[in-house]
Amino acid sequence: KQEVTQIPAALSVPEGENLVLNCSFTDSAIYNLQWFRQDPGKGLTSLLLIQSSQREQTSGRLNASLDKSSGRSTLYIAASQPGDSATYLCAVEMDSNYQLIWGAGTKLIIKP
Amino acid sequence: NAGVTQTPKFQVLKTGQSMTLQCAQDMNHNSMYWYRQDPGMGLRLIYYSASEGTTDKGEVPNGYNVSRLNKREFSLRLESAAPSQTSVYFCASSLLAGGPNTQYFGPGTRLTVL
Repeated sequence: KQEVTQIPAALSVPEGENLVLNCSFTDSAIYNLQWFRQDPGKGLTSLLLIQSSQREQTSGRLNASLDKSSGRSTLYIAASQPGDSATYLCAVEMDSNYQLIWGAGTKLIIKP
Repeated sequence: NAGVTQTPKFQVLKTGQSMTLQCAQDMNHNSMYWYRQDPGMGLRLIYYSASEGTTDKGEVPNGYNVSRLNKREFSLRLESAAPSQTSVYFCASSLLAGGPNTQYFGPGTRLTVL
């Protein structure tokens, strides 16, 4: 059974720092991996989607990488800002399956 | 363009009561989903509808029923609420099911069952 883990559960860093969030999964037979952002009291917003054939995706200050063989993905945030404070979740889609398997998220706080 | 809307935003039920959570999307998406989110856990899929007229069970379907009323609307019903169903419920939609199709989420319904 696929399991998705995000460590740490919470992270606090000063504004301006570059940071990395981690996501690991136990079954490498994934179709894609996605990173989402969740703000308190709101729904989730998709940030980046990496298909299994890709190694990374970039959007603005965000860069997500995928290493299927090791079962790991990282989300790199450059020059962090207080507005980046949110919970970041990763989710994997298994081959031939519409269902996303989710990590519990990393709560990120950027201190001004 | 409201995206995905959910009603109600908050609800308190007593054990054994029933209720229906409503979800609608205005993006002409074919696929819709219902998730629950519990503290310290990732989202878990309850039911999904890959296209109008079809529904399928997800990871945690017990105690729930769904109806894909039309292409826009997908409702989730709790027939006899239990305290274990206290959670935040999210509806999502995507153009097509799976693959490179991004899911768009509603703001959630916070449900408490006493």
